[in-house]
Amino acid sequence: RKEVEQDPGPFNVPEGATVAFNCTYSNSASQSFFWYRQDCRKEPKLLMSVYSSGNEDGRFTAQLNRASQYISLLIRDSKLSDSATYLCAVSPFSGGYNKLIFGAGTRLAVHP
Amino acid sequence: GAVVSQHPSWVICKSGTSVKIECRSLDFQATTMFWYRQFPKQSLMLMATSNEGSKATYEQGVEKDKFLINHASLTLSTLTVTSAHPEDSSFYICSASGAGSSYEQYFGPGTRLTVT
Repeated sequence: RKEVEQDPGPFNVPEGATVAFNCTYSNSASQSFFWYRQDCRKEPKLLMSVYSSGNEDGRFTAQLNRASQYISLLIRDSKLSDSATYLCAVSPFSGGYNKLIFGAGTRLAVHP
Repeated sequence: GAVVSQHPSWVICKSGTSVKIECRSLDFQATTMFWYRQFPKQSLMLMATSNEGSKATYEQGVEKDKFLINHASLTLSTLTVTSAHPEDSSFYICSASGAGSSYEQYFGPGTRLTVT
């Protein structure tokens, strides 16, 4: 079983739609959780950190469910510019290094 | 915000040669740098973690003698792919993390390596 798993998609949605992605992780001792956005042939860019209490940034809402070991990302009012691959990342915080384990990513395509 | 650069952005080399990739933190001191590799349509796979002045810690399955990592200063880490083969062709991305307990990593723009 992979440490971090995501549905690869693609999710094809019309502009204005609400779309949600889930990401599951296997290490119950994981400490930190993130959502990154990656455009084709570019580096990942941090979208938001995910906290136990959940957090919201504009149209984006992230939540963490430690009991079920998953994190989610909700995008409201999708824009064409939201088309990208969304990567979840988990930090196991092993040995004092804050390394990240990435999921394979979920591809989102927003169409007019 | 924190900026990380990589050089070169792309490189084509012949099989059997070595290629060095530089990763620099431009406006902060990076106590830890990470090297990732990403094949097409796959996720970023962590190759190694390096701390300034220490030997790198390699992930399982990554050959340390093939992928040489040097983290000589708080702003520079290098990855050298030795005796490159076509299967080493990939997108190599570094990230840097500053001091303290923050888990945030700042990613470089990546280096696309093609071995012919």
